[in-house]
Amino acid sequence: GIQVEQSPPDLILQEGANSTLRCNFSDSVNNLQWFHQNPWGQLINLFYIPSGTKQNGRLSATTVATERYSLLYISSSQTTDSGVYFCAVEGSGANSKLTFGKGITLSVRP
Amino acid sequence: EAGVVQSPRYKIIEKKQPVAFWCNPISGHNTLYWYLQNLGQGPELLIRYENEEAVDDSQLPKDRFSAERLKGVDSTLKIQPAELGDSAVYLCASSRGPNQETQYFGPGTRLLVL
Repeated sequence: GIQVEQSPPDLILQEGANSTLRCNFSDSVNNLQWFHQNPWGQLINLFYIPSGTKQNGRLSATTVATERYSLLYISSSQTTDSGVYFCAVEGSGANSKLTFGKGITLSVRP
Repeated sequence: EAGVVQSPRYKIIEKKQPVAFWCNPISGHNTLYWYLQNLGQGPELLIRYENEEAVDDSQLPKDRFSAERLKGVDSTLKIQPAELGDSAVYLCASSRGPNQETQYFGPGTRLLVL
C-alpha cells in the first residue's frame, strides 16, 4: 500500500509564529486530505487537495503531485491550532482507500 | 447541515463482553466508513460501504467484528467478544461517493476494555 510520512513528528510554537508541515507519499494519489484532530478527538477537514494550492484564512496547502508531497502552512498560529495534524491519501486500484500518516503534534504556547 | 453522528461517545466494558457502536452519516452520503484509531496513530480503515453493500472489508477481523448498514443509511459495528487489545477509538466517516471525495468524520467512540 501507499506509505505516508509526515514531518516533523512534533512541533512547538509560540503564539503568532508561522509553521510548515510536510507530507510525503510513495505513489500517485487521487485524493489527499489534511485534517486537524482537536484535543477532544474530533477530526476536522482542513483541505481536500490532491493537487494545486488552496487557502482558507490563516491556513494554506500546496500539493505537488508529480513530486509526491504536500505542505500545510499555518500563519500567525493561535493556541486553538494545537492538536494533531494528519495527512491522508488515496490512490487507485489496491490503494483505493484513505491511508493516514502518523500525524504531527502541534503545541502552540501563549 | 448536521455532521456524522456517533454513539455512544464512551464505552467501558469487561473483556469477553459484546459491544456495539452506531453511526448516522451525513444526509445524502452514500459511502460510509468505519475506522479504528489506536493511541498515537492515524485512523485505519476497517470497512467501507457503498449504500448497503460492504465493498471493502479486508481489514475487518471477521472472527469477532461484524458490521451492517441496513437500508443504506445508519450503520452498526459490533465486537463480540471484546478483547483488551480492542481498546481504541472507533471512527465513522461518510462521503457523497467512493473515491476522490472528501470524507467527513464523526466524533468517534472511545472504547476501553478492562
